[in-house]
Amino acid sequence: EAGVAQSPRYKIIEKRQSVAFWCNPISGHATLYWYQQILGQGPKLLIQFQNNGVVDDSQLPKDRFSAERLKGVDSTLKIQPAKLEDSAVYLCASSLDRGRSPLHFGNGTRLTVT
Amino acid sequence: GESVGLHLPTLSVQEGDNSIINCAYSNSASDYFIWYKQESGKGPQFIIDIRSNMDKRQGQRVTVLLNKTVKHLSLQIAATQPGDSAVYFCAENPDILTGGGNKLTFGTGTQLKVEL
Repeated sequence: EAGVAQSPRYKIIEKRQSVAFWCNPISGHATLYWYQQILGQGPKLLIQFQNNGVVDDSQLPKDRFSAERLKGVDSTLKIQPAKLEDSAVYLCASSLDRGRSPLHFGNGTRLTVT
Repeated sequence: GESVGLHLPTLSVQEGDNSIINCAYSNSASDYFIWYKQESGKGPQFIIDIRSNMDKRQGQRVTVLLNKTVKHLSLQIAATQPGDSAVYFCAENPDILTGGGNKLTFGTGTQLKVEL
């Protein structure tokens, strides 16, 4: 089966600019996650969707980050305006459901904010 | 707050030897644990998972051990190969009955280096 697809692979922007990331989960996976991974650290959950509804966005910096999954399949994550500390890899993952099933990750988008 | 941590940041082993990667967790409500492998430039790759009603689970060349008494998790890799070189993360999932969903908390990772 095809894995989680993410684009772009790399993005370099200046601080205060905006950026958007796209994710296409594994077909049939109802749950979609966005994680932020800062260099040298483990991934940290930003937001979790179940179909097109938000399950958990408690760790999403809502003053600058937003995410949507309008049709319950693809998702976009946006940062506006970006800060230097947003430099990280943004990983998208999906799972069959909210229960005890493993998350399958894409290869991420590496964001550099200068 | 709750956290998942790894004891050793870097582990070097000889090719063909067995590797043991350790992880401590602090959330006593966690009932599901996963080990991931992350190679440079790639996303975390699922290796093996275990639920809290088990203390051991085996896969192909890998074994996960769970000791709930001391809140400790380990990943054993048999006959380590150069392709096993990567960062390994343990992740825990709080009991979904408490509303945690499938939200995973990751540790900081252990770099496994396989020497020829």
